[in-house]
Parts: sequence; C-alpha cells; structure tokens
Amino acid sequence: QSVLTQPPSASGTPGQRVTISCSGSSSNIGSNTVNWYQQFPGTAPKVLIYTNNQRPSGVPDRFSGSKSGTSASLAISGLQSEDEADYYCATWDDSLNGWVFGGGTKLTVL
Amino acid sequence: EVQLVESGGGLVQPGGSLKLSCEASGFTFSGSTMHWVRQASGKGLEWVGRIRSKADNYATTYPASVKGRFTISRDDSKNTAYLQMDSLKIEDTAVYYCTRPAGSGADWWFDPWGQGTLVTVSS
Repeated sequence: QSVLTQPPSASGTPGQRVTISCSGSSSNIGSNTVNWYQQFPGTAPKVLIYTNNQRPSGVPDRFSGSKSGTSASLAISGLQSEDEADYYCATWDDSLNGWVFGGGTKLTVL
Repeated sequence: EVQLVESGGGLVQPGGSLKLSCEASGFTFSGSTMHWVRQASGKGLEWVGRIRSKADNYATTYPASVKGRFTISRDDSKNTAYLQMDSLKIEDTAVYYCTRPAGSGADWWFDPWGQGTLVTVSS
C-alpha cells in the first residue's frame, strides 16, 4: 500500500486531455513539493514534472502539474500514442523522514 | 553528461547478502547525496535510502522496510555509491536504481536515474 494514492489506470484517445491524481496527507504533499516521473516498460523512470509544476527542458508543454492542499495532479493535453507509459508522483514525507511514491498510473492511449 | 551505472545484481538465496555498486560520472560526486530506489516486477517505486556527502558526515537514512538490513556507503575516490543488502528476503526481489537529487533548498527531485540492476532472492 503506497503512501500516496494514484488511480492504477487512466486512458484517453489521441488529442484528448487526461488527468492523473495523487492524494497524500499533511506530512507529505501538504508540506512539500511534488514531482512526477514517467516510465516506459523496461526503462528507468525520468523526471517529467518537478516542484509541483516545472517542466525539465525537453518535456513538451502538453504536460502540466498542479498541487492544492494534500493533492496533486498531472495533466496531459493533446494526448499522443507515445505518452503511453507509467506515471508516478513522489514527494518527501516529514513523518516518515523519507521519500514516498504513489503506486503508479498506467496510461493507455486508445 | 551525468551518468549513473549500477552493477552487482544477481541471484541470491533468502537470508543471503549482496552488494550493489553505482558508479557516477559527469558531476561532482563527492558533493552529492545519493539515493537508492527499487521496483519489484510489475509494481511501483519504493525508496530504499540515501547517503549524504562528507559535508553532512555521510549521514544515512532508510525506510522501515530495510532499516537494519541494508547499508548504504560511498567511496568518493571512486565516484561510487554502494548498497549492501543483508538478510535478504524474497520480497526484496526487484530492480534497484541509484539516483541523484537535483534541485536546491527545499525543492528536490531525482535526476537522472541509472539503468537499474536486478536482484532476485530465491531458493
């Protein structure tokens, strides 16, 4: 059972907008910034969004992040087939004194 | 280019030990905290621990799931971090990644990640 809660799956058709939620508590998301990682099968995760809503260079602006209270969201607009991957949220937990991840969301492009 | 390369994975029996290595290049390794994260097959990511730099007395932090069994160390002269895993359990079977924190102040994230090394605990 992950400390951060994500839906196990999400889907959309090409061109659609999809959002993935990440729910936590006051000791993690409520107190710290949230990062999102994208992972393709058989490869290592890569940072997609950092500090709640910042995109590393090279990440398309179709990807956006937001945070409110003890929840965060990743939005993908103009969905493309190459966006099919697993997405994880992560943040520091002050009570656990460690990094915590969401269980991951598998995005399928129909 | 920042690069992290893990090695040392393999098959080990329950109760056994294994030591993983993470060789770094492309940045000032001695000044960086290093982390380990694992992922069981078909499962999510789990943080395994971190080691800080000499400036922070090489302090280590572990989650409850591995505390007392896993030990992270580093050799700055070799730009290498290590994960010593003892008393291994079947549930420790996973791909183990090393990663470096990027950011500053209160805002940190993991970037980049190594390619991972597979540890299989089985009799």
